[in-house]
Amino acid sequence: DAGVIQSPRHEVTEMGQEVTLRCKPISGHNSLFWYRQTMMRGLELLIYFNNNVPIDDSGMPEDRFSAKMPNASFSTLKIQPSEPRDSAVYFCASSLMAAGELFFGEGSRLTVL
Amino acid sequence: DQQVKQNSPSLSVQEGRISILNCDYTNSMFDYFLWYKKYPAEGPTFLISISSIKDKNEDGRFTVFLNKSAKHLSLHIVPSQPGDSAVYFCAASAQGEYGNKLVFGAGTILRVKS
Repeated sequence: DAGVIQSPRHEVTEMGQEVTLRCKPISGHNSLFWYRQTMMRGLELLIYFNNNVPIDDSGMPEDRFSAKMPNASFSTLKIQPSEPRDSAVYFCASSLMAAGELFFGEGSRLTVL
Repeated sequence: DQQVKQNSPSLSVQEGRISILNCDYTNSMFDYFLWYKKYPAEGPTFLISISSIKDKNEDGRFTVFLNKSAKHLSLHIVPSQPGDSAVYFCAASAQGEYGNKLVFGAGTILRVKS
């Protein structure tokens, strides 16, 4: 079975550029989460969806960040414009709504110069 | 305002000995707790969990203890092996209408020396 698939694995971009990270959750899972990992704050929840609907986006740092889930098998996290402080590893995870365990992708390492 | 805290950034243990990783939480609504393990360049993977109705859960070499009155949980690994070297994240959630939103701690780096 395929796990959570994220792309790109690595992204290096310049300040001011738009960045789009992609995620394909595990088939059948109805919850999707975007997390950001930094040395200082560990794993921070940015936003999560249930049945493709955004439920809680209180963790999204600012208006430069946006996320969409147009269907059950695809989600994007967009940063526009990007800044050096956005450099981090971004993880996507999925789960069954009623279950406690999240399944994570391998992450997208973003470097903004 | 960190609701889940792992106060030890790192821990070093000799192979064969016990590793104890600690976690504190502040939100009394949390009723489900998990530990995740993360290797470099990989995503976190689920290790073990415990419900608030229990105070202990064991799975092979891994045991999680929950002290609700102290809002504290710990992960014991016995015996520790070099392959256990990884970052360990504590996570907590509260049952809600929209399922489980996990709140993670900052992680503890475990190094098991052979």
